[in-house]
Amino acid sequence: DQQVKQNSPSLSVQEGRISILNCDYTNSMFDYFLWYKKYPAEGPTFLISISSIKDKNEDGRFTVFLNKSAKHLSLHIVPSQPGDSAVYFCAASVKFSGGYNKLIFGAGTRLAVHP
Amino acid sequence: SQTIHQWPATLVQPVGSPLSLECTVEGTSNPNLYWYRQAAGRGLQLLFYSVGIGQISSEVPQNLSASRPQDRQFILSSKKLLLSDSGFYLCAWSRGAGTEAFFGQGTRLTVV
Repeated sequence: DQQVKQNSPSLSVQEGRISILNCDYTNSMFDYFLWYKKYPAEGPTFLISISSIKDKNEDGRFTVFLNKSAKHLSLHIVPSQPGDSAVYFCAASVKFSGGYNKLIFGAGTRLAVHP
Repeated sequence: SQTIHQWPATLVQPVGSPLSLECTVEGTSNPNLYWYRQAAGRGLQLLFYSVGIGQISSEVPQNLSASRPQDRQFILSSKKLLLSDSGFYLCAWSRGAGTEAFFGQGTRLTVV
């Protein structure tokens, strides 16, 4: 049961252009969504998040959009830079009683930004 | 500031041998703690999570177990490793619902 799906395993973008990474989810109980960036042999690093009560959150070159009716979120990187080349994971959080949460991750999308 | 330490970075173990991976968090108290595994070419699969000392929840039936002997210490163990236990294991912590999780550097486990 894959609750968080990233259907594009890879994406190639030219430097300076926009990168758009997509993510779909199935569980309507998810209340918080996150994007992580991961380099090989390292742990993921947190990039940006969005609460389910919002539809957009922006942080510098990174913007996350949430469409709750479509159960879809996307990460926009503008302008894309070669250093952005990495695997990007979408994650969704569901809250449980007691104040703890579980993060469910997608399979990741490998972004390659070329000159 | 908070930091998370995970060791060892790499580990090669024979089939049938035991396993112990340790994770510690500094600079915070009563964190939520998690163990994830990334198999080759796959996403991050949640294995265990803990909301307090001695409280462990398992996500998937498997050959592994977890323990939390202290507030900021999380241990992943196995009595007898299988080939299928190979993968990249990640420890993470969060403050709770509605917050991001922070990951350690990971352990690359190869069972031979």
